[in-house]
Amino acid sequence: NAGVTQTPKFRVLKTGQSMTLLCAQDMNHEYMYWYRQDPGMGLRLIHYSVGEGTTAKGEVPDGYNVSRLKKQNFLLGLESAAPSQTSVYFCASSYSAGMVEKLFFGSGTQLSVL
Amino acid sequence: QQQVKQSPQSLIVQKGGISIINCAYENTAFDYFPWYQQFPGKGPALLIAIRPDVSEKKEGRFTISFNKSAKQFSLHIMDSQPGDSATYFCAASMSGYALNFGKGTSLLVTP
Repeated sequence: NAGVTQTPKFRVLKTGQSMTLLCAQDMNHEYMYWYRQDPGMGLRLIHYSVGEGTTAKGEVPDGYNVSRLKKQNFLLGLESAAPSQTSVYFCASSYSAGMVEKLFFGSGTQLSVL
Repeated sequence: QQQVKQSPQSLIVQKGGISIINCAYENTAFDYFPWYQQFPGKGPALLIAIRPDVSEKKEGRFTISFNKSAKQFSLHIMDSQPGDSATYFCAASMSGYALNFGKGTSLLVTP
């Protein structure tokens, strides 16, 4: 049972480059989330989705875009990477709004922007 | 602004001791308060959670104490073990909305 899978695990970008992080879950969860984790800042919500074809902004959405074309996948895009986007990115999923507390996290993507 | 304030930022406890991490919130509409545990290189995982209709919840060595009037809640780890060394996040949410996390506490339990 894979749970939540994130790819890639590590990535180094140059300023201005673009990339897409992929999150896949096999638990048939409705809700999916992207968080970033920075030292001393905790986990901050970037974007989330409450179902296939829907997305919404979180606490720190600027510089990121997302898409949820399939229920099991949630993509996070950086169109023009900046050093401030150096972070560890976590994808998470949950069954529904009523189960929002039971977040299942992936193992993270370490992104460095030079 | 930070909706959940967590302290301390780091904590060192001897094996067998009690680890205590505190969190405070302002939004009285919050009705769910979980704690997540994160080991290095891993994503956070739900440890224990409480709703405001109870003042305490215990699961094994882990206990959440909740003080609704003070808008505070805390995690107590009894008989702390080196394997408990991890980062702990408190969080809070309103039903149907995403979690708001604290900044985390790095716990080190020394042998």
